[in-house]
This record gives sequence, C-alpha cells and structure tokens, in this order.
Amino acid sequence: KAGVTQTPRYLIKTRGQQVTLSCSPISGHRSVSWYQQTPGQGLQFLFEYFSETQRNKGNFPGRFSGRQFSNSRSEMNVSTLELGDSALYLCASSWTGTVVQETQYFGPGTRLLVL
Amino acid sequence: GDSVTQMEGPVTLSEEAFLTINCTYTATGYPSLFWYVQYPGEGLQLLLKATKADDKGSNKGFEATYRKETTSFHLEKGSVQVSDSAVYFCALGSPYSGAGSYQLTFGKGTKLSVIP
Repeated sequence: KAGVTQTPRYLIKTRGQQVTLSCSPISGHRSVSWYQQTPGQGLQFLFEYFSETQRNKGNFPGRFSGRQFSNSRSEMNVSTLELGDSALYLCASSWTGTVVQETQYFGPGTRLLVL
Repeated sequence: GDSVTQMEGPVTLSEEAFLTINCTYTATGYPSLFWYVQYPGEGLQLLLKATKADDKGSNKGFEATYRKETTSFHLEKGSVQVSDSAVYFCALGSPYSGAGSYQLTFGKGTKLSVIP
C-alpha cells in the first residue's frame, strides 16, 4: 500500500509570493492534517480536513489556507510569503481523524525556503 | 491546553548502551500517546503508541508505558544501534472539542546520536 505522498519535495520562493503544496493520503484515508516544522517552534498543527471540510485549525494567520478534494487529496496554500514561513511542511493522513486511538501516517514533507 | 515536555538533548550514546528519553504530558480527558521517529531528510514514522493507562507500546526493541499517575510516557531501549540515530518525538492525541476530530501535540524532539 502506497504511503502518504507530498509534492513538491523542495521549493524556493521569495518574500511576497504565494505557494501551493500538495498531499495525497493513503488510499482509503479520509482525514488529512497539515503540520509545520521549524527548528524554533518544533511541530505545530495547521489544520485538518475531512470530506472536503476543514474541521480543525491551529493558531496560524489567515495567509495559511487549505482545501480537500473529493478524492481526499489536499492542498495547502500560503500567500504573501514571509521569511518565517521557511519550514518543513508535513502532511498526515488517517482513516477518520475522529478516534484518538487512530494513527496518523506522515508523508516525507515539503521543504520550503523563503528568500 | 495540551502540552508535551520531553528532554531535548542532544543525546549521544555508545552502541549497545541503554536509552531513556523522558516525556511528560498535560492533557484533559484521555489522550493517546505516541512516539514518532524522524530520520535525516525524512518525515515522521510511527515508532509505537499506547491508547490507555498502563498500556505498553513496543516496536523494534523500543518500549514505552502510559503512566497516568505520573503523566509520563518515557521511551526506552535496552541496547541501541548506530541505525537508531534519529530525532524522536513524543506526541499526544486528544479530541478537539466541538469539531469531532483530534490533533497531535508534539514535544520539541530529542536528537539521538549513537556512536560505534
């Protein structure tokens, strides 16, 4: 069974630009969560989607947004990039995202560098 | 709110040494607890988990016991190998009230280096 895939793996952007990252969950998984990983703040929850609906959102500005498609694939978008947005963005999938015993499976991440 | 505190390291051990990485948590309700491992340049891999008090998770020689009385989930391995060099994250999963979903809260991570 294929794991969680994320594209692209690496991105370089300049301040003020916007970026879109993509995540394909494990087949059958309907919940997709996004996390930001930085050396200073560690791993922080961005948002979670299920059946094309955002159910849960972390404490990030409105420049960070996402969506989910009917096939459960998800995208996240960051507009008006700032230097501090440089990070590894991780996507995770699980069956329903409603049962705390469920395991979230992570993709390899997209490393974003903002210059 | 929920939080996870783990020893940040870095931790350097010789091969075959005993490993302990401490993890304590604060949460309301009944969270599940996880250890994830991240190898250089990769995403997170689930190492083990425990879903209720006194459960012991184990995998690849690693163990951790869910201790509700001490709110802890310490990771242990009896004999580490060079291939265990990675960053280890303790995490808890708890329901997000009102939304019907749950999110993971992570510790800062502990970098482990095992030398031959």
